[in-house]
Amino acid sequence: KAGVTQTPRYLIKTRGQQVTLSCSPISGHRSVSWYQQTPGQGLQFLFEYFSETQRNKGNFPGRFSGRQFSNSRSEMNVSTLELGDSALYLCASSFQDGEQFFGPGTRLTVL
Amino acid sequence: AQSVTQLDSQVPVFEEAPVELRCNYSSSVSVYLFWYVQYPNQGLQLLLKYLSGSTLVKGINGFEAEFNKSQTSFHLRKPSVHISDTAEYFCAVKRSGSARQLTFGSGTQLTVLP
Repeated sequence: KAGVTQTPRYLIKTRGQQVTLSCSPISGHRSVSWYQQTPGQGLQFLFEYFSETQRNKGNFPGRFSGRQFSNSRSEMNVSTLELGDSALYLCASSFQDGEQFFGPGTRLTVL
Repeated sequence: AQSVTQLDSQVPVFEEAPVELRCNYSSSVSVYLFWYVQYPNQGLQLLLKYLSGSTLVKGINGFEAEFNKSQTSFHLRKPSVHISDTAEYFCAVKRSGSARQLTFGSGTQLTVLP
């Protein structure tokens, strides 16, 4: 079974731009969660989607948004990028209330 | 709300020595507990989890952890480490139930020395 895939793996943007990251969960998994990892703040929960509905949201500004499609693939979008948005963005999928499986992450650098 | 404290940010240890990575949590509700490992430039891999039942949990790669409810701890142990265990280790909690949100500790960098 293929694991969680995230594209792109690396991304460089400049301040003020917007970015879209993609996550394909493990086949059959309907829940997708997103996390931001930075050296200063560590791993922080962004949001979770289940069956195309946002079920839970972390404490991030409205510039961070996401969505989930009918095939469970998910995207997250960050608008008006700031230097502090530079981070590793991790996606995790799970089946019902089971273990979360993480993808390799997208490394976003904002210049 | 839940919180997780990993008491050591860095743990150096010699190869074949035992190691313990400490984790304490705080929560007003019942939680599930996890340990994840992250190798450089990779995502997180689950080492082990405690959902219920036996308080001693065995995971992959020879790791185990013990859930201590009275001390609100979930320390990770391995009796003999290898160079390949060098990585960052994260303790995490999740409210029991359907919510997926994981709250992570700040991580412990384990460095195994030859």
